[in-house]
Amino acid sequence: AQSVSQHNHHVILSEAASLELGCNYSYGGTVNLFWYVQYPGQHLQLLLKYFSGDPLVKGIKGFEAEFIKSKFSFNLRKPSVQWSDTAEYFCAVKFGRNDMRFGAGTRLTVKP
Amino acid sequence: GAGVSQSPSNKVTEKGKDVELRCDPISGHTALYWYRQSLGQGLEFLIYFQGNSAPDKSGLPSDRFSAERTGGSVSTLTIQRTQQEDSAVYLCASSLRLTTSGASTDTQYFGPGTRLTVL
Repeated sequence: AQSVSQHNHHVILSEAASLELGCNYSYGGTVNLFWYVQYPGQHLQLLLKYFSGDPLVKGIKGFEAEFIKSKFSFNLRKPSVQWSDTAEYFCAVKFGRNDMRFGAGTRLTVKP
Repeated sequence: GAGVSQSPSNKVTEKGKDVELRCDPISGHTALYWYRQSLGQGLEFLIYFQGNSAPDKSGLPSDRFSAERTGGSVSTLTIQRTQQEDSAVYLCASSLRLTTSGASTDTQYFGPGTRLTVL
């Protein structure tokens, strides 16, 4: 069965550190890729998405993600994190027409 | 309203009772999803509605779970004979699917969730 793996359960960084959160999926076909974020006390919201074209996708708040098809990966990056980036981050992959799967999430804590 | 709304926000019930959770999607959105988020777990897909098509129920964990979507808008998730392992946050999301030459947009907009506690 298709699955989505997020390697880090909890990441703790200091402000201005660089961030990379891993996401891998198990499927060789066409996929649509997403990163969602849930700030404390708020709804899940979309950070960025990849459907086709340039594999380096830029999202809101300075986040970007790179789709590497050969590695089945869609890692999320930010060059310099802020305290306000403290949140839970979910990678999601849409396999085929209806099958949307989320990873277990990575909790990011940014220390001021 | 402008976003996806869910009710109730919190529900505490006794084991064995039935519960109904409601989702109001964004007006005009044809796709509606239900997910379950258990403590420390990711989002678990439950069911998907798209327009008038038959729903994709492949994620429902047991026959105690069912969902319907009336008039292509509001959806109700029903859990019969609740068990303690059903305790979780149940999230609803909607998306606007534009099918033009096969293109579609699948950005999902999430509601605040219903926190279900089964005692």
